Amino acid sequence: KAGVTQTPRYLIKTRGQQVTLSCSPISGHRSVSWYQQTPGQGLQFLFEYFSETQRNKGNFPGRFSGRQFSNSRSEMNVSTLELGDSALYLCASSLAWVGQENTGELFFGEGSRLTVL
Amino acid sequence: SQKIEQNSEALNIQEGKTATLTCNYTNYSPAYLQWYRQDPGRGPVFLLLIRENEKEKRKERLKVTFDTTLKQSLFHITASQPADSATYLCALRPRSSASKIIFGSGTRLSIRP
Repeated sequence: KAGVTQTPRYLIKTRGQQVTLSCSPISGHRSVSWYQQTPGQGLQFLFEYFSETQRNKGNFPGRFSGRQFSNSRSEMNVSTLELGDSALYLCASSLAWVGQENTGELFFGEGSRLTVL
Repeated sequence: SQKIEQNSEALNIQEGKTATLTCNYTNYSPAYLQWYRQDPGRGPVFLLLIRENEKEKRKERLKVTFDTTLKQSLFHITASQPADSATYLCALRPRSSASKIIFGSGTRLSIRP
């Protein structure tokens, strides 16, 4: 069974630009969560999607947005990039919505490392 | 404020000894708590989950304890090996309706031969 696939793995952008990151979950998984990881802040929750609906959102500005498609694939977008957006963006999939009573085990991809210059 | 705290200092252990990592939380009521392992440049990998009504969970050389009175989880690796060197992340799912899995900042473990 293929794991969680994130593309691109590495990208460099300049301030003010926008970026779109893609995540393909494990086959059969309907929930996709996004996290931002930086050395100073650790793993910060961005949002979670289940059945094309955003179920939960972290404390990030509106420049960070996401969506999920009918095949459970997800994208996240960051507009008007700032230097502080440089981070590893991790996508994780799970069978069901985290809010449901399940194991909650998250399967992470390898991440997309974004550098903003 | 709500916090999940792990020892930010790296833990250095001699091979063969037991490594013990700590996770403390404040102002959360966890439905369950998880531990993940993360290697440099890779995504975290799930290791163990322990629910609020469980005291201890084991898996091979790994053991997790959960004390809801102390608001603390301990993660043990017995007979540690250099291959166990990694960053270990504690995470919890609050029992609130707006639930999501929240992560601590992780503890880097180094096992020396």
